[in-house]
Amino acid sequence: SQKIEQNSEALNIQEGKTATLTCNYTNYSPAYLQWYRQDPGRGPVFLLLIRENEKEKRKERLKVTFDTTLKQSLFHITASQPADSATYLCAIPGGEYGNKLVFGAGTILRVKS
Amino acid sequence: EPEVTQTPSHQVTQMGQEVILRCVPISNHLYFYWYRQILGQKVEFLVSFYNNEISEKSEIFDDQFSVERPDGSNFTLKIRSTKLEDSAMYFCASSRPTSGSSYEQYFGPGTRLTVT
Repeated sequence: SQKIEQNSEALNIQEGKTATLTCNYTNYSPAYLQWYRQDPGRGPVFLLLIRENEKEKRKERLKVTFDTTLKQSLFHITASQPADSATYLCAIPGGEYGNKLVFGAGTILRVKS
Repeated sequence: EPEVTQTPSHQVTQMGQEVILRCVPISNHLYFYWYRQILGQKVEFLVSFYNNEISEKSEIFDDQFSVERPDGSNFTLKIRSTKLEDSAMYFCASSRPTSGSSYEQYFGPGTRLTVT
């Protein structure tokens, strides 16, 4: 079955810097990959979706890349702010029909002012 | 902006009791889901629901679990006889608006279930 690996160590960065988070998957390349943000005690919030034929996707200060050769997605937050501090989850479609999401464990991002 | 809502926010129950967790998905979405997250662990898929029937379920979703869409707006998860290991945060999600082909899922705020 498909597995997702995200850096389990928290990422601590200084305000204004670019945060880069990594998501690696095993086996087959998914048709798309999604990134979510989760705050403590809250549900995941959708951020970005990138399809397998897209190399890069941007939304405001967020950028996602998708490298099917490396089986990896990178998630970047530029000009990071303390309000960006949260857990960021990578997710890919799974199951027979691809409707369910398989989540990684997430990477905790802490942005210090 | 439309959002998924869930009630209650916190449910405490005794082992062996039945609980019903309630969700109101986004109104023009076609797919509905339940996920759970045990404290400190990954978000795990439980079940997906489409066209008034289960489309997929995980190994976790055994005979103790059931889902229902009793009317045009609510989506419920029932656990018939709760176990201590059912203690978790339960998230409802919905996706696939009737127009368009987007795949992102929209999650509710969750119900924290505590089984004592």
